[in-house]
Amino acid sequence: AQTVTQSQPEMSVQEAETVTLSCTYDTSESDYYLFWYKQPPSRQMILVIRQEAYKQQNATENRFSVNFQKAAKSFSLKISDSQLGDAAMYFCAYRSAYGRSGGSNYKLTFGKGTLLTVNP
Amino acid sequence: DTAVSQTPKYLVTQMGNDKSIKCEQNLGHDTMYWYKQDSKKFLKIMFSYNNKELIINETVPNRFSPKSPDKAHLNLHINSLELGDSAVYFCASSQPKSGANVLTFGAGSRLTVL
Repeated sequence: AQTVTQSQPEMSVQEAETVTLSCTYDTSESDYYLFWYKQPPSRQMILVIRQEAYKQQNATENRFSVNFQKAAKSFSLKISDSQLGDAAMYFCAYRSAYGRSGGSNYKLTFGKGTLLTVNP
Repeated sequence: DTAVSQTPKYLVTQMGNDKSIKCEQNLGHDTMYWYKQDSKKFLKIMFSYNNKELIINETVPNRFSPKSPDKAHLNLHINSLELGDSAVYFCASSQPKSGANVLTFGAGSRLTVL
């Protein structure tokens, strides 16, 4: 079974600075998807960024980018020019790309989350 | 226009009661999910339906019974509520045919069992 590990329960960053959140995962599959979701105090789960494992290029969405190291099974999230609105719980998640009976590839497996505080 | 809507958002009840949470999506997605987020914020899948067919049923007590009357709705009924059922329950939907199968979540339903 796949597992996702976020080793930093909490992180803090000064407004306008850069912070990197770590995520590692364990899988024997070669094709899969990785995601970062954000959960602000409003509780809503919001997709931040996603990465297809077969793509070597790191995904970028405005101030958010990832460092995807497939061999190391590492998928870190970099937030540049941090803003107060970035304060939230961040979850890393994994999903298999393979079709499988029982639909197990539909399952999103989450890490335990990293609580990001942004200091003004 | 809420994409995935859950009702109620908050639910406070006594141990032993039976309660339901409803979920509806207007995205035209084929697949819907229930996730449970515990007090430590850990998110774990409970169930998934694809076109009204149950495709994922994790190790969940059989006091929890999902029902999908059509592919736009997935309800969760919980019998004989226990203290440990207190959590936030998230409904989500996705379109598996779209490749990445990105999940869109509802706002969550916070269940408190006293």
